[in-house]
Formats: sequence, C-alpha cells, structure tokens
Amino acid sequence: NAGVTQTPKFRVLKTGQSMTLLCAQDMNHEYMYWYRQDPGMGLRLIHYSVGEGTTAKGEVPDGYNVSRLKKQNFLLGLESAAPSQTSVYFCASSYLGGSGYTFGSGTRLTVV
Amino acid sequence: GESVGLHLPTLSVQEGDNSIINCAYSNSASDYFIWYKQESGKGPQFIIDIRSNMDKRQGQRVTVLLNKTVKHLSLQIAATQPGDSAVYFCAEKAYNQGGKLIFGQGTELSVKP
Repeated sequence: NAGVTQTPKFRVLKTGQSMTLLCAQDMNHEYMYWYRQDPGMGLRLIHYSVGEGTTAKGEVPDGYNVSRLKKQNFLLGLESAAPSQTSVYFCASSYLGGSGYTFGSGTRLTVV
Repeated sequence: GESVGLHLPTLSVQEGDNSIINCAYSNSASDYFIWYKQESGKGPQFIIDIRSNMDKRQGQRVTVLLNKTVKHLSLQIAATQPGDSAVYFCAEKAYNQGGKLIFGQGTELSVKP
C-alpha cells in the first residue's frame, strides 16, 4: 500500500541544470497534481493531469513541464533550474469526483 | 482571483483543551472544503471534508463547520493532544474550475503538555 511515491527525496542543482521529478501512484487514480510549497506559504499548483496523455497548467506553471504517459506516473521537469525554483515539491493524486487528495512525502529541491 | 485564507498563522493550546482553527474563503461556487494536516517533513494528510450543501460534519475528535453566509470554515479538535501539533491547511475544490484544490496559507498548531 505505497500510495503516492516521489523520487528523489532531496536534490541540489546548479543554476541552469535540468532534472525530472517522478511521481508514481498505485491507487488507479485518474487525476494527478504537482504542487510547490515555499516557507510561510500554502501549496501552489504547478500543473495537473485529468488522465493519461493529458496535462494542464495550474497557478505557477512557468519554468516547468510535465508529462503523463502512463496513468500511474506523472513527471515534472525543470529544463533550466533557477534559484527561484528552490522549494519543496509535492505530488498528489485523486479519484475523479473525489474531494480529497493523497499526497506524496515531497521532494526538497535546492538550486544554487 | 479567488483564494482561501486563514485568520491566524499560529495557535498555541494546552493539552486536553479544544482547538479551533479558522479559515475564510471567497469562492462561493466551491463544491467541497477540506482540511489537511501537515507534520514537519511530511506531505499534507487528509483530515475531513464537507460538501458545500452541509453546515457541519463530525469525525473522530474533529468537527468541521461551514458558514456560507459569511464564507467561513472552521476545524474544531477536541481534547487536543501533542500529536496534533502540525500545520493545518484548509482547501476548497470547485468542479466548475477543473476540480483543483486551492489551499490557504496554513495555521501552525502547537500543543503544550
């Protein structure tokens, strides 16, 4: 009963480097989401997906790209990391029509 | 734009007392309101939700109240325990906006033994 698994848990990048964060869920959820959480702030939606092969922009999509090639996986990419992208990233998933989300444990990303 | 916000950033209570965490929302079209608990170093954890057509819902030691007249949401925790220490977020969900959860900033609850 893994739920939502995020990898890696920690990462340090240099400005301009690229990386991909992986989110995997084993609950057969249709919807998946990527949020970022900065100190003193709530979670802000980056991108989300309502099904395999579909993605949409959230509140703060700039500088990020996503892909949902398989229903159980949702990838978040940073093409050219910037210090402003230093944050904790959370992935979540939910059923179609469900009220609550299941969150992963987060990825702490530092861009230097 | 629409937002969900919390009245108080921190709340300190004595163990055994009841806690009340408040939240104001602005989107009258939201279908669900949800409370999450986030412990240090972990992802948010679902506590309880309430549909927009309800005004009260109870769970184990928790009660959520919804006042649509003043667009106010509250989470009551009975007999607060040290394990309740965490940041609590309210969130709202509107299906006519893609069903996305919009989170408030959070209230940090500290329970003194």
